[in-house]
This record gives sequence, structure tokens and C-alpha cells, in this order.
Amino acid sequence: EPEVTQTPSHQVTQMGQEVILRCVPISNHLYFYWYRQILGQKVEFLVSFYNNEISEKSEIFDDQFSVERPDGSNFTLKIRSTKLEDSAMYFCASRRGQGLNTEAFFGQGTRLTVV
Amino acid sequence: DAKTTQPNSMESNEEEPVHLPCNHSTISGTDYIHWYRQLPSQGPEYVIHGLTSNVNNRMASLAIAEDRKSSTLILHRATLRDAAVYYCILRGFSGNTGKLIFGQGTTLQVKP
Repeated sequence: EPEVTQTPSHQVTQMGQEVILRCVPISNHLYFYWYRQILGQKVEFLVSFYNNEISEKSEIFDDQFSVERPDGSNFTLKIRSTKLEDSAMYFCASRRGQGLNTEAFFGQGTRLTVV
Repeated sequence: DAKTTQPNSMESNEEEPVHLPCNHSTISGTDYIHWYRQLPSQGPEYVIHGLTSNVNNRMASLAIAEDRKSSTLILHRATLRDAAVYYCILRGFSGNTGKLIFGQGTTLQVKP
């Protein structure tokens, strides 16, 4: 069964450092997303991406964040200068379409720890 | 997206049916009802969705009230592996980019 793959599973970084989280969405999917989940809290939407551009972003997704689809398979989330409060699980998701009756497929997440 | 209300937690015994309720009194006529679940230390996972009619798939059943103001996710025989947080999410046309808005969900505990 096709799946969304995220690497690394756990990343520890120092405050102020740049970090890149990587995702390989399902191959025939066209819509891509990043979500985050701070420990003990709910899953929060960060950004949606289609046709090589951001289609929507939340207020969490400020100038420190960027996304890219550098080739035909990877989808990355970059945090330019990490803060302690960026520590969270980050989930990548993809969809074949954005119709209301389509489902999203999530990766297993990257646990980011900022120290 | 319209708001949903779910109980914070529920308990079930293994191999018994579980009915997880969701209220969505402000649902609009074109909103789809989606259910996802999140197993411990994993990403969310799609379970089922519906619009008006009841739906069945290999994981669960979805019963939708006639007025669509509530729905119930039914796990026919709970297993220990079904212990997870279950999210009821509405998806509508307004501003649709395919994003999901998660609430707190219902934490299901399954006892052996």
C-alpha cells in the first residue's frame, strides 16, 4: 500500500539553527500539506501546497517557515531559525485531489526537538 | 469549516462494539463528515467519510442522522489496536484547499 514517508523520524537541533524536514508524498498525489502537533495538544494545520505554490497557510506559518518541492518526489519544510517553541511533531500529508470526498494520507511524522 | 463536538474520552471492552458520537449542529448541506484517528505516536489515519447516507468500509461504519446534525462512528468489534484519538471533521467548500481542522477528538481506551 502506498504511503507518505518522512525523514528523519527524530531531529534534535540547537536554537537558532536551520532545519529541513523531508517528506516523500504518495507518487500520484498533487496536494501536499504540513501539520504540527505540540506535545499533548491538537494537530494544527501549517500550509497547503499545490502546483508548486502555497495555496493556503495558517498564522503559525510565518516568515521563518518555507516549503519546497525541489524535484518530482520530495516535499520539504524548512524552519530558518528554530525556536524552543518549534519543538513538536511535524506531519506531512498528501491527497490525490482536494475534493470534499477525498482522503488525506499522513506520514509517521518527524519529532523536532529544539534545545 | 463548521464546528464539531465530541466527548473527550470513552472506554470500551475488547471485542465489543464502540459507538463514538459527534455533534455538528451547524453543518451545511454540502459539508462532508470525515473521521480520522491517531494511534499513539503515529500520524493521523483516515477512517471513513460520508455525506448523507450511512457508510461502511473495512475499518468502521458511519451512521449519519437524518438531519445531519450528528453522526456516529461505529467500530464493530474493538481491538486493543483501536485505542486512539478519533477525530470528527467537517469538510466544506468554503476556502477549500483540502486542509483538515482537527479538534481535540475522543480518546478511546480499549480494555482487555
